Amino acid sequence: ETGVTQSPTHLIKTRGQQVTLRCSSQSGHNTVSWYQQALGQGPQFIFQYYREEENGRGNFPPRFSGLQFPNYSSELNVNALELDDSALYLCASSLVRGGGGELFFGEGSRLTVL
Amino acid sequence: DAKTTQPPSMDCAEGRAANLPCNHSTISGNEYVYWYRQIHSQGPQYIIHGLKNNETNEMASLIITEDRKSSTLILPHATLRDTAVYYCIVRVNSGNTPLVFGKGTRLSVIA
Repeated sequence: ETGVTQSPTHLIKTRGQQVTLRCSSQSGHNTVSWYQQALGQGPQFIFQYYREEENGRGNFPPRFSGLQFPNYSSELNVNALELDDSALYLCASSLVRGGGGELFFGEGSRLTVL
Repeated sequence: DAKTTQPPSMDCAEGRAANLPCNHSTISGNEYVYWYRQIHSQGPQYIIHGLKNNETNEMASLIITEDRKSSTLILPHATLRDTAVYYCIVRVNSGNTPLVFGKGTRLSVIA
């Protein structure tokens, strides 16, 4: 158990809809990152937040957006859902103090887009 | 793109050592080698990381070659619960550097 919790665990949406996924970081962690994992693939980096500011982004379009709150919890929002957005979405938290830290992952939110 | 190469799958008998190889021939001097694993339907789990010296913790040992172009993760006594996909990742140890996952090695521990 990593202390990182994600909700919901599973959800089904239709093409064109919007979705919000939530993540509660491990206590004391100041950095959260989000990854997308398609079936049979390794996780792909979406973006990272440090102290409520986005400070890194992977190759994902602007309809993928996020927020980090003062208590270091986080949201991932995806607008105009497409079929290819069907995936496991993983949140990871870490404590960054100068150097990089070990990432602790949640169990993920599995999104199905019909 | 991932900077590592791993075999797609391996089998290991329960109770034996599992040796998972990783090639990272283009690794830079300031990049660490990280290992994560992902058990079915769970999030990735950190195992170990190192720069150039061999490392050991309660889960595994990491052996890095002297030229740092390859490494081996060793699970000394594999159990059925070690069945998972194992990812080898090279990463600069700075705060905003993401993990770049490849496809990993699917390790099957067989009774």
